[in-house]
Amino acid sequence: DAGVIQSPRHEVTEMGQEVTLRCKPISGHNSLFWYRQTMMRGLELLIYFNNNVPIDDSGMPEDRFSAKMPNASFSTLKIQPSEPRDSAVYFCASSLGSVRNSPLHFGNGTRLTVT
Amino acid sequence: DAKTTQPTSMDCAEGRAANLPCNHSTISGNEYVYWYRQIHSQGPQYIIHGLKNNETNEMASLIITEDRKSSTLILPHATLRDTAVYYCIVRTPTGNYKLTFGKGTLLTVNP
Repeated sequence: DAGVIQSPRHEVTEMGQEVTLRCKPISGHNSLFWYRQTMMRGLELLIYFNNNVPIDDSGMPEDRFSAKMPNASFSTLKIQPSEPRDSAVYFCASSLGSVRNSPLHFGNGTRLTVT
Repeated sequence: DAKTTQPTSMDCAEGRAANLPCNHSTISGNEYVYWYRQIHSQGPQYIIHGLKNNETNEMASLIITEDRKSSTLILPHATLRDTAVYYCIVRTPTGNYKLTFGKGTLLTVNP
């Protein structure tokens, strides 16, 4: 089991540029989550997909953020245009949504720095 | 989801048991207690969860008080690699999402 795979591990970009973060969930998992972690705010849920459909995007900070899940094995989180305050570690997690209380399994994150 | 209260930090000697407490006095009858940990520069790692009964797996034991208002995560023989932030989370079983992370406890295992 390869676990949740995120790419890139590190991303450095300039303010105003578009950033795309990628996630491959664990095979067979049908729930996918995007979290953001900063020193100030800790771990925050941004958006949650179930069976490739966005269920709860109330944590998405603003319209500059968008997330897609075109199929069961791939998801993207896009920031356009990026701003320095978007600098954070972004985590993707997946779980077996059909199983009650299935634990979330996290990737190792993408560290985003916007200068 | 019910809020949890954990100490900010704890120390433990290598090889000794680490006992991490968590208060969740407003927990509802159908809410589970979850524990995750986050080692530096890694994603959160699932450890264990339980409802009422004590639970044990290869990583840890979870002791939940009879009134369910508090719990303790036990790492029976802590190693240096167990140094991490440990999060105690109360999660409703309705819907399969919204793990809400607090600040957790920084456990430092000393040689």
